[in-house]
Amino acid sequence: AQRVTQPEKLLSVFKGAPVELKCNYSYSGSPELFWYVQYSRQRLQLLLRHISRESIKGFTADLNKGETSFHLKKPFAQEEDSAMYYCALSPLQGAQKLVFGQGTRLTINP
Amino acid sequence: DVKVTQSSRYLVKRTGEKVFLECVQDMDHENMFWYRQDPGLGLRLIYFSYDVKMKEKGDIPEGYSVSREKKERFSLILESASTNQTSMYLCASHTPWGTGFYEQYFGPGTRLTVT
Repeated sequence: AQRVTQPEKLLSVFKGAPVELKCNYSYSGSPELFWYVQYSRQRLQLLLRHISRESIKGFTADLNKGETSFHLKKPFAQEEDSAMYYCALSPLQGAQKLVFGQGTRLTINP
Repeated sequence: DVKVTQSSRYLVKRTGEKVFLECVQDMDHENMFWYRQDPGLGLRLIYFSYDVKMKEKGDIPEGYSVSREKKERFSLILESASTNQTSMYLCASHTPWGTGFYEQYFGPGTRLTVT
């Protein structure tokens, strides 16, 4: 069964501090992994995808197949990073369904 | 720029009413999805459609049905609304398979309250 787990519902850090949002997954094959973000009063949008190996808004995420994790990291948090973050998994076959984690609400304190 | 629009931002309905939620996308995407978003539960897939008149159940289809008569429009139907269907409903469309560019585009959401 495909499952995505985000163990922290809430995460609060101070501006300028490092941020790490945890994501663990279970899937028997080789999935594609994504982070989606929802800022206040905005629609859910893609932040970054593993396949692109990109850094967006200072965020990076490394796929660790041994630990089945895809944690999202940023070295210096900014107040505008406050948002709801969802980790998601796609089996990359069939109808492109995404399986989402429960979400982590990140608050950056000034 | 992909646009996914949903017919209502807020909706209040009574228990037992039939409710229609409409979603339209303008990028000619074949795959469209309906999710509900609840605190602590994340996004859960209700139904998805991979072509006109084609649909498949997601993880929580009970109490819902869908309609896809045209490629750009995907409707979610609550046959007889119940209070436990009070939620935020999100529609999404997905970039075509095989492009190597995988992204779901979401609508703004419809917050449905069933009283």
